[in-house]
Amino acid sequence: QSVLTQPPSVSGAPGQRVTISCTGSSSNIGAGYDVHWYQQLPGTAPKLLIYVNSNRPSGVPDRFSGSKSGTSASLAITGLQAEDEADYYCQSYDSSLSAYVVFGGGTKLTVL
Amino acid sequence: QVQLVQSGAEVKKPGASVKVSCKASGYTFTSYGISWVRQAPGQGLEWMGWISANNGNTNYAQKLQGRVTMTTDTSTSTAYMELRSLRSDDTAVYYCARIIAAAGTQWFDPWGQGTLVTVSS
Repeated sequence: QSVLTQPPSVSGAPGQRVTISCTGSSSNIGAGYDVHWYQQLPGTAPKLLIYVNSNRPSGVPDRFSGSKSGTSASLAITGLQAEDEADYYCQSYDSSLSAYVVFGGGTKLTVL
Repeated sequence: QVQLVQSGAEVKKPGASVKVSCKASGYTFTSYGISWVRQAPGQGLEWMGWISANNGNTNYAQKLQGRVTMTTDTSTSTAYMELRSLRSDDTAVYYCARIIAAAGTQWFDPWGQGTLVTVSS
């Protein structure tokens, strides 16, 4: 059971828009900690996609955007492309004793 | 370019130890920390802990306290993660990642390619 909750899967047709939610609690996202997002293509290491809630590293297409509100964050992908098919993870801090850095359980994006 | 290159796959028996290396290049090693994250087969990401490459300070996930040790060798820009008393549920791909820290938060970029550790009798 991950501290941050993500839907196990989402899907969309090429060109469509999809969103992936990341729901936390008062000890992590709700406490004001920032959220970061990673993309993991099949068989590869995770890659930074969004940092500090809504910032894109250089080289990440502006089709990817992030937002945060209250105890949740979201990743939006517009103009869906086949190459976007991957697992997506959110990450934040948690002030509980069991973990310092926490990840969501991951969301598998399928491009139909 | 900034790069982290990890050591190769390992097969260990239950109760043994494993030490994974992570060699950094393309940046000043002591200016950033290194985190270790593992991923069991078909599962999500689990943070294991981090180490400051500047002063060697560490912070480990509570569930791994007492079994994990993270170290660095600044002369070779290499970070190490040792996990002891291995169990079958330690079978996973182990990743190192450079920590980018700012204003009370941290994220990971880039990541190493991963090292598969298999624990089997």
